[in-house]
Amino acid sequence: EIVLTQSPATLSLSPGERATLSCRASQSISNYLGWYQQKPGQAPRLLIYDASNRATGIPPRFSGSGSGTDFTLTISSLEPEDFAVYYCQQRSKWPLTFGGGTKVEMK
Amino acid sequence: QVKLEQSAAEVKKPGASVKVSCKASGYNFIDHGINWLRQAPGQGLQWMGWINSHNGYTKYAQMFQGRVTMATDTSTSTAYMELRSLRSDDTAIYYCARGRVNNSPWWFDPWGQGTLVIVSS
Repeated sequence: EIVLTQSPATLSLSPGERATLSCRASQSISNYLGWYQQKPGQAPRLLIYDASNRATGIPPRFSGSGSGTDFTLTISSLEPEDFAVYYCQQRSKWPLTFGGGTKVEMK
Repeated sequence: QVKLEQSAAEVKKPGASVKVSCKASGYNFIDHGINWLRQAPGQGLQWMGWINSHNGYTKYAQMFQGRVTMATDTSTSTAYMELRSLRSDDTAIYYCARGRVNNSPWWFDPWGQGTLVIVSS
């Protein structure tokens, strides 16, 4: 099973700041990585797929990069609605797995 | 718009079974498979398996093999997930999510609102 390790566990930032979230895979997964956002009491929402493609309706302040084992989700300038938990997920091998999440909280 | 509407919360006793439904609307149901995932209280996300809505092919995560069954009813655009021999650690919110790419499980978009299943004696 491919293990995804996300860091940091918590990121404390202010609105307007840049957020950089990391996801590392236990083996190479090419570009088969996605990112999801989950707010309290809500289902997750797809943000990025295939490492760098924004899903429908996702604003351009969200961007993804990386390949192989190291990936990054960047939020260029945090809006109040961006404070949430972010999960990465791989589709390279069965079973499909998620990272443990990064919580982006307001400083 | 594309929407997945899930069934209401359930409370079950250990050893029982639960069946969760997921009604799709806003797209051609047979063009996209349905994934099932779960999230234990305060925990992360776990993928349980996927069903191809076109031909009924299923792929289950090893840890649920033999205990889960996924099915679809194309006449009502509804997917179902049944989990048997419930244990207390099956207490979780269960989600259905459409596969973004036609006839594949890849990328979960969108998700249903979730169904809370509580397993307690």
